[in-house]
Amino acid sequence: NAGVTQTPKFQVLKTGQSMTLQCAQDMNHNSMYWYRQDPGMGLRLIYYSASEGTTDKGEVPNGYNVSRLNKREFSLRLESAAPSQTSVYFCASSGTSGSNEQFFGPGTRLTVL
Amino acid sequence: DQQVKQNSPSLSVQEGRISILNCDYTNSMFDYFLWYKKYPAEGPTFLISISSIKDKNEDGRFTVFLNKSAKHLSLHIVPSQPGDSAVYFCAASAMYSGGGADGLTFGKGTHLIIQP
Repeated sequence: NAGVTQTPKFQVLKTGQSMTLQCAQDMNHNSMYWYRQDPGMGLRLIYYSASEGTTDKGEVPNGYNVSRLNKREFSLRLESAAPSQTSVYFCASSGTSGSNEQFFGPGTRLTVL
Repeated sequence: DQQVKQNSPSLSVQEGRISILNCDYTNSMFDYFLWYKKYPAEGPTFLISISSIKDKNEDGRFTVFLNKSAKHLSLHIVPSQPGDSAVYFCAASAMYSGGGADGLTFGKGTHLIIQP
């Protein structure tokens, strides 16, 4: 089991460019999440998908879009990257009731110049 | 408005002693709390959790205490080991109120340094 995988690991963009961050999980989890972490900050929720076919905004959704492609995959898209989106992006997944434990991927370090 | 606060950005503890990491929350809807550990260039990994119906949960060297009236929780690590050096995040959710799939609210983290 790979758990939660993210691609790419690193990316440098110029302001205005677009890109999609990919995330996949092999734990048959219903819920998936995208967070960003900035220096000196905790993780902040961008978007989440409680189940296949649904997506909802989190705390900091502006400038992002998401797609829950199927139960395994949840992508995050930056349509027009801005320097303020320079961050480390983490994808996570969690199962259903019983615990709220989320399993995280290794992260994507994004720099927008 | 920070709903989960970790007021100590860093903590230095001698190897073998107890490490105590603190966390405060303001949202009364939070009823499930988790601690995550994070090494540089890796994703956070789950450490231990506690629900609001308990005031203590123990797992090996790690114990989490919850004081609901004070909206305060703490993580105790005994004895502290060099491999415990990492950033520790406190996180909360309103799991039993129907918000279980809504994502976690994280504190800013405490960098724990274990000195030999």
